[in-house]
Amino acid sequence: NAGVMQNPRHLVRRRGQEARLRCSPMKGHSHVYWYRQLPEEGLKFMVYLQKENIIDESGMPKERFSAEFPKEGPSILRIQQVVRGDSAAYFCASSPQEGGGYTFGSGTRLTVV
Amino acid sequence: GDSVTQMEGPVTLSEEAFLTINCTYTATGYPSLFWYVQYPGEGLQLLLKATKADDKGSNKGFEATYRKETTSFHLEKGSVQVSDSAVYFCALSGYGNKLVFGAGTILRVKS
Repeated sequence: NAGVMQNPRHLVRRRGQEARLRCSPMKGHSHVYWYRQLPEEGLKFMVYLQKENIIDESGMPKERFSAEFPKEGPSILRIQQVVRGDSAAYFCASSPQEGGGYTFGSGTRLTVV
Repeated sequence: GDSVTQMEGPVTLSEEAFLTINCTYTATGYPSLFWYVQYPGEGLQLLLKATKADDKGSNKGFEATYRKETTSFHLEKGSVQVSDSAVYFCALSGYGNKLVFGAGTILRVKS
């Protein structure tokens, strides 16, 4: 019973490139959440999605960041034209329903050089 | 808005010492409260939770009690082991099922 799968585990991008982070939720989970962890800080909520719908994106930066959770396939967090300040660990979590317990993935550590 | 405040670390203890990590929160309504643990290079694992006042969450020798009157959810363990060395995050479930996290407390246990 695989948990929440995130890939890649580590991603290095040059400034100005695009970063795509993927998250496959646990089997049977239809709710996906993305969080960002800056160095030596706690996790900050970014976005909450259900299949084909963005439910809450109040934590997403207004520009360059987008997220999707298509009917088929993993959820994608996309960062366009990355800058050094985007360097962080990005964690995905999933739950079977709203209010259900979260399961976190192991994260993608993005480094912008 | 909702917020969580944890004691600053790092906390350094000898094996078999007693552990307390303080956590207080500010929230509207009655959130659920959680402790997560993060081992180096890994994601967060749910350690324990409590969903209403006076509930006690417990797991692997750790426990925490939801205290509504003091808005606290302190983590305790009677005898820590080297393998407990990790970062511990207190969190609450706020509006819309979002988790609000504290900044984390690093625990280092020496043998």
